[in-house]
Amino acid sequence: SQQGEEDPQALSIQEGENATMNCSYKTSINNLQWYRQNSGRGLVHLILIRSNEREKHSGRLRVTLDTSKKSSSLLITASRAADTASYFCATDMQGGSEKLVFGKGTKLTVNP
Amino acid sequence: DAGITQSPRHKVTETGTPVTLRCHQTENHRYMYWYRQDPGHGLRLIHYSYGVKDTDKGEVSDGYSVSRSKTEDFLLTLESATSSQTSVYFCAISEPSSGRETQYFGPGTRLLVL
Repeated sequence: SQQGEEDPQALSIQEGENATMNCSYKTSINNLQWYRQNSGRGLVHLILIRSNEREKHSGRLRVTLDTSKKSSSLLITASRAADTASYFCATDMQGGSEKLVFGKGTKLTVNP
Repeated sequence: DAGITQSPRHKVTETGTPVTLRCHQTENHRYMYWYRQDPGHGLRLIHYSYGVKDTDKGEVSDGYSVSRSKTEDFLLTLESATSSQTSVYFCAISEPSSGRETQYFGPGTRLLVL
C-alpha cells in the first residue's frame, strides 16, 4: 500500500511563480526523498531529508519535514517551463532504508 | 547519468507468452529493484535484490520472478504474460549500506501485452 500521498495531484502555474507540493505518510521513517520524472523518462533524485532535519535547500528547491504531522512539502521557487514534470515523494521504513515506497505523484505544469 | 540500462526498451507480446526484461548496471551497487508504473498507482515495487542470488518480494510480486546471477544484471521474468501486466517497468539501483539511500533509475521498458 502507498506510504506517501502527494497533494495536489496536478498543479498548473505560470513561469516565475512558486510551486508547492505536499506529501503525507503513515508510519515512522528514517528519511524522505523527492524525485522528479519527465514524461517518458525514469525518475531522478532531487533531495533527501532525514527524520532529524526540518528543512533542506538545494538550489531553487526547499523541502520541509514535519514528523509530528507525518508530512513534507517541496517548494520550487521561480519556476521555469523546464520544471514541468511529475514529482514523487518516497519514504523508507524506519526499520531499514533499502526499500522505498513512492506516492502517486504531483503533475506540475509550468506555462511559459 | 548512473550507468543503468534496460532492455528491451519497448516490447509487444501476446497473453500467455513468457517475457524477460533485463536491467544492467555498471555502478557495482548491491541493491537492484524492479518497479512497475501505472496511471493512478505511481511506482510499485515488484521484487528487489540485495546481492547475487539474494532477492525478496515487493508489493506486487504475483506473476513475476527475478534472478540475479551477477552483480551487474537483474532479470525480471513474466512467466505467462497477462494483459494486467501491461505497464512501464523501471529498474533502479542503490547502495544504502554506504549511507546513500538514493535510488538511481533506468530509462524504463514499455510492455504491452495483447
